[in-house]
Amino acid sequence: QVQLVQSGAEVKKPGASVKVSCKASGYTFTSYDINWVRQATGQGLEWMGWMNPNSGNTGYAQKFQGRVTMTRNTSISTAYMELSSLRSEDTAVYYCAMGSGWYGDFDYWGQGTLVTVSS
Amino acid sequence: EIVLTQSPGTLSLSPGERATLSCRASQSVSSSYLAWYQQKPGQALRLLIYGASSRATGIPDRFSGSGSGTDFTLTISRLEPEDFAVYYCQQYGSSPLYTFGQGTKLEIK
Repeated sequence: QVQLVQSGAEVKKPGASVKVSCKASGYTFTSYDINWVRQATGQGLEWMGWMNPNSGNTGYAQKFQGRVTMTRNTSISTAYMELSSLRSEDTAVYYCAMGSGWYGDFDYWGQGTLVTVSS
Repeated sequence: EIVLTQSPGTLSLSPGERATLSCRASQSVSSSYLAWYQQKPGQALRLLIYGASSRATGIPDRFSGSGSGTDFTLTISRLEPEDFAVYYCQQYGSSPLYTFGQGTKLEIK
């Protein structure tokens, strides 16, 4: 079965960077884009960007341009999301998500990674 | 940017009742690209409906989606105890590529 398994919780200081991983299994990793979505505590959902694991091509939401980098290692079917210049407002649960269909939805989600930014 | 506004913010109902959740878009959304999700505390989102009206794999038929243009609806015909959760709508296609509504909390009355 399809699974997206993310790395564990992180605590970072303001100004630092964080790199979250998302290991895919149960399908061909290079077949579908990996997206990243975050959710601050008690808040809504915010899409951050996408990455094509086959080509490495990426597209980022304007809000995160210049601060986010999405990469992959196809040999271990793992996608990464790195966010730099962290501030307290970046404290959130970060999800990787994948859509296997043609309708712009996400039918598979990672379990989420809590990133806490605190001095 | 397309803004999705969900209403009501909180819906209080009893098991067995019918739930109607609304998602209104600030601009027209292609029906092919409107989805609904369910989220329970501490869990990731679960896809319920894609393409505005198609149920995802394994989703019970008490869940149905409808609508077009700027107005979309998620209906749960007869609430089961496990249906009490937060529901989000999501669109694809406009910059940013994906946006979500702010959510409707469905709570037990």
